[in-house]
Amino acid sequence: KAGVTQTPRYLIKTRGQQVTLSCSPISGHRSVSWYQQTPGQGLQFLFEYFSETQRNKGNFPGRFSGRQFSNSRSEMNVSTLELGDSALYLCASGGTHYGYTFGSGTRLTVV
Amino acid sequence: KQEVTQIPAALSVPEGENLVLNCSFTDSAIYNLQWFRQDPGKGLTSLLLIQSSQREQTSGRLNASLDKSSGRSTLYIAASQPGDSATYLCAVKGTGNQFYFGTGTSLTVIP
Repeated sequence: KAGVTQTPRYLIKTRGQQVTLSCSPISGHRSVSWYQQTPGQGLQFLFEYFSETQRNKGNFPGRFSGRQFSNSRSEMNVSTLELGDSALYLCASGGTHYGYTFGSGTRLTVV
Repeated sequence: KQEVTQIPAALSVPEGENLVLNCSFTDSAIYNLQWFRQDPGKGLTSLLLIQSSQREQTSGRLNASLDKSSGRSTLYIAASQPGDSATYLCAVKGTGNQFYFGTGTSLTVIP
C-alpha cells in the first residue's frame, strides 16, 4: 500500500509570508502527527489529528496551525514566517498498536 | 513529561563489527517503543516496533530489546555494513498519545 505522502518536498519562502504543507496518510489511518526537525532542537512534536479533531498539541506558538479533512489528509499552516522556522517538517500516520510511518518530509527554508 | 535519552550521540565502527545502541526513558508507562533510521535530509524509516508487553523484536541483522521496569531499550546491529551508516532514533509512545523522541545516535560504519 502507498506510504505517507508529503507535499511539497521543498519550499523557499520569505520572512513574513505564510506556508501550507500537506500530508496524506496511509490509507485507513485516521491519525496524523506533525513534527519539526532542526539540527539544534531535534524532533519536536507539533500536533496530532485524529478523525478531524486535534487530539494533542505541542509547545509551539499560535502561528503554527493544522487541520484534518474527512479523508484523513492533513494540512499544516505556518503564518508570519520567521527565519527560525526553517526546518524539515515531518508527518506521520499510524497508531498506538501498529506504530508510526513517516513521510519523506518537507524541507522549508525561510529567507 | 517523558524524557528519552540516547547514548552514545555518535559512534564510528569498522565494517563487520557488532554494535549496541542504547535508549533510556524516564516514564515506564509506555504503550510501545519504536526504533527508526534517518538518512541525511530524509524522513524516518521504521526499523522495529516493540509493544509494551514484549521483550524483544528481531528483523534481519537487527534486534531490539525492551526493559520497561528499568526504562531501557537497546538496538543490536550484527555484522555492521557501510550502508548501516545513518542516525538511529528511538521513540516511545506514552500516555496522551504523544510520541517522544530521543536525540539520536549518529552511526558511521567504516569500510
